[in-house]
Amino acid sequence: GAVVSQHPSWVICKSGTSVKIECRSLDFQATTMFWYRQFPKQSLMLMATSNEGSKATYEQGVEKDKFLINHASLTLSTLTVTSAHPEDSSFYICSASSFGGRGSYEQYFGPGTRLTVT
Amino acid sequence: QQPVQSPQAVILREGEDAVINCSSSKALYSVHWYRQKHGEAPVFLMILLKGGEQKGHEKISASFNEKKQQSSLYLTASQLSYSGTYFCGTEKKYSGGGADGLTFGKGTHLIIQP
Repeated sequence: GAVVSQHPSWVICKSGTSVKIECRSLDFQATTMFWYRQFPKQSLMLMATSNEGSKATYEQGVEKDKFLINHASLTLSTLTVTSAHPEDSSFYICSASSFGGRGSYEQYFGPGTRLTVT
Repeated sequence: QQPVQSPQAVILREGEDAVINCSSSKALYSVHWYRQKHGEAPVFLMILLKGGEQKGHEKISASFNEKKQQSSLYLTASQLSYSGTYFCGTEKKYSGGGADGLTFGKGTHLIIQP
């Protein structure tokens, strides 16, 4: 159980174009999903929190107009990188939260999407 | 604020034990542990909550000392499959409840040699 998928797994796009990344929880419903970014040999950095049916909450320094997040259902969240530039090239990973009991929420990560902007 | 992990890297022979530490300067509600292999997403290992609990999963266990704001991950009789980068993630519980995003440490690289 607790499987999260991401699509696409790898994308190359030209500078100035937009890219949409999908994150799906396959066998459970996730009220909350998270988007992280990971640069090579670095840790994961939280970008935003996505709640079903409401606006996403962005971390400080993350441009909400550039990274559009939509959480239309309990199993799907999307991240759109608008007007992508080479500095946006990174490994984007989503996670979906699942109630683990005793007030805790476990987070399960998708396989990630490697974005390369040329 | 990012938790601090130590050591940064460790090389072991198969069958040896390892301890990975995670400490925070802020009060914590929970600590999450993950293992990530190169080019892959992090895999959930376990979560520890306030209350000083300990948990175990096969030969991997962990403890959480909320007073010291520290957690440790213990790997006993390590196997080749344990190789990877281990991250601790910390969570602040907001008054509204629900899931909270994680702040990850820089990771500990573990290499297990035959």
